[in-house]
Amino acid sequence: NAGVMQNPRHLVRRRGQEARLRCSPMKGHSHVYWYRQLPEEGLKFMVYLQKENIIDESGMPKERFSAEFPKEGPSILRIQQVVRGDSAAYFCASSPRPTGDYGYTFGSGTRLTVV
Amino acid sequence: AQSVTQLDSQVPVFEEAPVELRCNYSSSVSVYLFWYVQYPNQGLQLLLKYLSGSTLVKGINGFEAEFNKSQTSFHLRKPSVHISDTAEYFCAVSDKNSNDYKLSFGAGTTVTVRA
Repeated sequence: NAGVMQNPRHLVRRRGQEARLRCSPMKGHSHVYWYRQLPEEGLKFMVYLQKENIIDESGMPKERFSAEFPKEGPSILRIQQVVRGDSAAYFCASSPRPTGDYGYTFGSGTRLTVV
Repeated sequence: AQSVTQLDSQVPVFEEAPVELRCNYSSSVSVYLFWYVQYPNQGLQLLLKYLSGSTLVKGINGFEAEFNKSQTSFHLRKPSVHISDTAEYFCAVSDKNSNDYKLSFGAGTTVTVRA
């Protein structure tokens, strides 16, 4: 049973380009969460999705960031017109149910560098 | 809203010595508590979690943590560390009663084990 798969592992984008980060949850998991880790900081919650629904996007910046989890395929975190401040590690986690006692499994992350 | 404070950003320790990583949280409600480990360039792996019941929780790789409600602490310990325990450790908390899928993380403690 493969874990949470994220790709790419490393992504370099020039300022103004778009970044697309992909996350495939563990088999049987229909709940996906995205977190961002800025240098020297802990992870910060961004968004919680179920299949075809955004449940909680309270941690997402209001502009340029969007997330989706379609019926088929991986969850996508999309950052438009990237800026240097978007450079960070982005982690995805999944769970089989929407309760916090589960203790998530995280993917290995995508490290985004904006140059 | 919860917040998590990890009191030590760096902990150097010799192989086979004990280690304690300190974590304090603030919350007005009951919480779930977690410790995660992040090895270099990898994702976060769950070490252990406290949900309820016994305040001493045992996890993987010989780690344990003790929940102290009066001191709002959840310190992580290992009696004898190995070189392979070199990693970053994160304490996290979620609200037990609502939106409990949303984890709040501390800034992390980097443990460096020397021979």
